[in-house]
Amino acid sequence: QVQLQESGPGLVKPSETLSLTCTVSGGSISSGDYYWTWIRQHPEKGLEWLGYMYYNGNTFYSPSLRGRLFISPDRPNNQFSLRLSSVTAADTAVYFCGRARRNVVDHWGQGTRVTVSS
Amino acid sequence: DIQMTQSPSTLSAALGDRVSITCRASQNIGNWLAWYRQKSGKAPQLLIYAASTLENGVPSRFTGSGSGTEFTLTINSLQPDDFATYYCQQYNTYLTFGGGTRVDI
Repeated sequence: QVQLQESGPGLVKPSETLSLTCTVSGGSISSGDYYWTWIRQHPEKGLEWLGYMYYNGNTFYSPSLRGRLFISPDRPNNQFSLRLSSVTAADTAVYFCGRARRNVVDHWGQGTRVTVSS
Repeated sequence: DIQMTQSPSTLSAALGDRVSITCRASQNIGNWLAWYRQKSGKAPQLLIYAASTLENGVPSRFTGSGSGTEFTLTINSLQPDDFATYYCQQYNTYLTFGGGTRVDI
């Protein structure tokens, strides 16, 4: 059974870079046919897809975040990471990592809350 | 961008009720649609994909239908676990979620 766990700072200052890591167990991020994705949820709001990384390292980002978002693999540790630059209060959210098959997210991490504030 | 609109935004129901949630896409997405249930404070759980295919392990009281731009999630005989928020998601072009439908007692 695949499990995912997000980790990273809960507080980030405005204009800085948010970095989160997703640790995957029970499956390899290098396995074919899966996308490894990041999704966020603003307080009391809906879900927003941020981007994903294919098993071969190819990445696809939401047009609204392109230029600020970078997703990368750490294969030795079976992790993948999110880096979001120039954050503002609008980036305050719960961030989820997930595994997607054909763009359907079938496994999710529990989520990690990130607040952007000075 | 493809926009997804769910209705209603809130739905009041009782245990054992049959309820339906509608999701409309701003353009034709074929059957590239999934449904998720999110319990309070938890991550979403995949219920249905390809508009009508039940994910492994999901109870058969959940059914999905529709294609093109209009889709429906029906829950037969609401159980305590089903009082939650439901999201549709298109995956015809990247991923976009609907605004959610909260099912309350």
